[in-house]
Amino acid sequence: NAGVTQTPKFQVLKTGQSMTLQCAQDMNHEYMSWYRQDPGMGLRLIHYSVGAGITDQGEVPNGYNVSRSTTEDFPLRLLSAAPSQTSVYFCASSSRDRAEGIYGYTFGSGTRLTVV
Amino acid sequence: GQSLEQPSEVTAVEGAIVQINCTYQTSGFYGLSWYQQHDGGAPTFLSYNALDGLEETGRFSSFLSRSDSYGYLLLQELQMKDSASYFCAVWMDSSYKLIFGSGTRLLVRP
Repeated sequence: NAGVTQTPKFQVLKTGQSMTLQCAQDMNHEYMSWYRQDPGMGLRLIHYSVGAGITDQGEVPNGYNVSRSTTEDFPLRLLSAAPSQTSVYFCASSSRDRAEGIYGYTFGSGTRLTVV
Repeated sequence: GQSLEQPSEVTAVEGAIVQINCTYQTSGFYGLSWYQQHDGGAPTFLSYNALDGLEETGRFSSFLSRSDSYGYLLLQELQMKDSASYFCAVWMDSSYKLIFGSGTRLLVRP
């Protein structure tokens, strides 16, 4: 049981380049989200999904696209990288099991992205 | 919109009890969660409160008062390994998104 897997772990991009951060989970979770965390800061929601085929914007969506074609995968695409997007990116997933009343997100280990 | 307020830093002594507060203002609220994050690591889920009252999980307890838009995380018998950042997070009703506070850095001293 791998949990939430993010790739790559580290990435350096040049301004204007595009790339996709990969996220996959093997827990059959409906909810998936992408967050960014700047040094000494909290986590800000970029995009989220409540199921395959359904995505929505979070707090800081500009410059990012997502898709959710399967339950397992939730890739994040940077359209044209900018230095302001230098950050640590976390993908997370959670079950929709309301009966348990537990809404705990499982986080991936993160992608450390630097845009120069 | 939504906002969550936490103290930026708390210091406590090993073996003591510490309380980390969280006040929130949201246009829709389903529940309050707490997460722990060690430096360089990923956040890990600690607790969740959907109803008013205290939830206990080992040395950690979490409290929620919906009428006061307030919650706290209580850590007992502090250990050095509890030094970390702690985040409260609100589950937004209807949209099912999870919004985080800015976090509280806890430093446990010997």
